[in-house]
Amino acid sequence: AQSVTQLGSHVSVSEGALVLLRCNYSSSVPPYLFWYVQYPNQGLQLLLKYTTGATLVKGINGFEAEFKKSETSFHLTKPSAHMSDAAEYFCAVSEEYNFNKFYFGSGTKLNVKP
Amino acid sequence: GAGVSQSPSNKVTEKGKDVELRCDPISGHTALYWYRQSLGQGLEFLIYFQGNSAPDKSGLPSDRFSAERTGGSVSTLTIQRTQQEDSAVYLCASSLEGASGVYEQYFGPGTRLTVT
Repeated sequence: AQSVTQLGSHVSVSEGALVLLRCNYSSSVPPYLFWYVQYPNQGLQLLLKYTTGATLVKGINGFEAEFKKSETSFHLTKPSAHMSDAAEYFCAVSEEYNFNKFYFGSGTKLNVKP
Repeated sequence: GAGVSQSPSNKVTEKGKDVELRCDPISGHTALYWYRQSLGQGLEFLIYFQGNSAPDKSGLPSDRFSAERTGGSVSTLTIQRTQQEDSAVYLCASSLEGASGVYEQYFGPGTRLTVT
């Protein structure tokens, strides 16, 4: 079974600073990879996904993530944080041979300081 | 169009009672998923449906948990003899399975279950 590790349950950055949220998974078989965002009092929404092809994927709101097979990582970045980015971010990974079963990380709460 | 809806939004029940949680997926979505989000933790996969069948029930925490889906649409998650550790937010998601290899899930707002 897959496991997903998100380093840092809480990350705090200043407005305008780089955002880096880390995600590592356990499988040796390239899975499908996702980042979801949950704004306060809202449901989860997809930020970006990697299925096949280009390993650098761009999502909404200026976020992007790079799939690195050798590092089994899919870190989320944004060059310049905005106050509206304050939310909880979840990395999700599909099971190796069952792309309908997903494993989510424990989430990272991003705080953006003015 | 309408998104995934769940009912009730909040449910408070006494320990030992049975509860039913309902999920209405997006029309046309053939895959449906249930997750549990406990306080301070990530999403725990419970079960998914392809149409009306559930190929993998291994995520259900115990035999007190069951789920069904009828007509390829509405799904019900039932928890029998609830325990305090069942308190969590139960999330439902649906996806348009097999569309261009995209497996994006659309999430409902969740049902917050509190067992007293």
